[in-house]
Amino acid sequence: DAMVIQNPRYQVTQFGKPVTLSCSQTLNHNVMYWYQQKSSQAPKLLFHYYDKDFNNEADTPDNFQSRRPNTSFCFLDIRSPGLGDAAMYLCATSRVDSKGNEQFFGPGTRLTVL
Amino acid sequence: AQSVTQLGSHVSVSEGALVLLRCNYSSSVPPYLFWYVQYPNQGLQLLLKYTSAATLVKGINGFEAEFKKSETSFHLTKPSAHMSDAAEYFCAVTTGFQKLVFGTGTRLLVSP
Repeated sequence: DAMVIQNPRYQVTQFGKPVTLSCSQTLNHNVMYWYQQKSSQAPKLLFHYYDKDFNNEADTPDNFQSRRPNTSFCFLDIRSPGLGDAAMYLCATSRVDSKGNEQFFGPGTRLTVL
Repeated sequence: AQSVTQLGSHVSVSEGALVLLRCNYSSSVPPYLFWYVQYPNQGLQLLLKYTSAATLVKGINGFEAEFKKSETSFHLTKPSAHMSDAAEYFCAVTTGFQKLVFGTGTRLLVSP
């Protein structure tokens, strides 16, 4: 089945230790998104790629970076995680020509910062 | 700019009762509207979407929603709640290739 895969599902890191979260997709969608979701809140968009074009949200901290080496993969790098970065991180994809820009979500990676 | 308001952060129903989750949107152009469901420690799963075709939209798991332009609403309903429906529900709006704007979510609690 075509899907969005995130690895790992659970990640524990130490304060200040860089961490990378991974997302892959078999849908061949041209847009990939990264969201941060804290407990009992809606997902907050961090950035998205439209093909290779990177689009950063204005309020996304510089501590968060992303890479998209090819259509299938996208990475979220947190350079120096703080306690406030503990959250669920969701990857999503969409086709830009799909009606309404329906987004397909992965299962998420729950990040714990010690 | 678009926005979404979900009335009620928590909704409690008994198993077998009607489920009604409210969503009102604001958009200066015809919107596309979505309902997503999220189970604990999972990603978001699309329940249904409105993309300017039929105003009554049927989704998965017996859910449906009606787009009412005059009321700027897109409420989610299910005739009979099941224990497995207990989850967080998010309404979202977009107007084409733009970001999804999510509501704050409604947690549905289902009691036996």
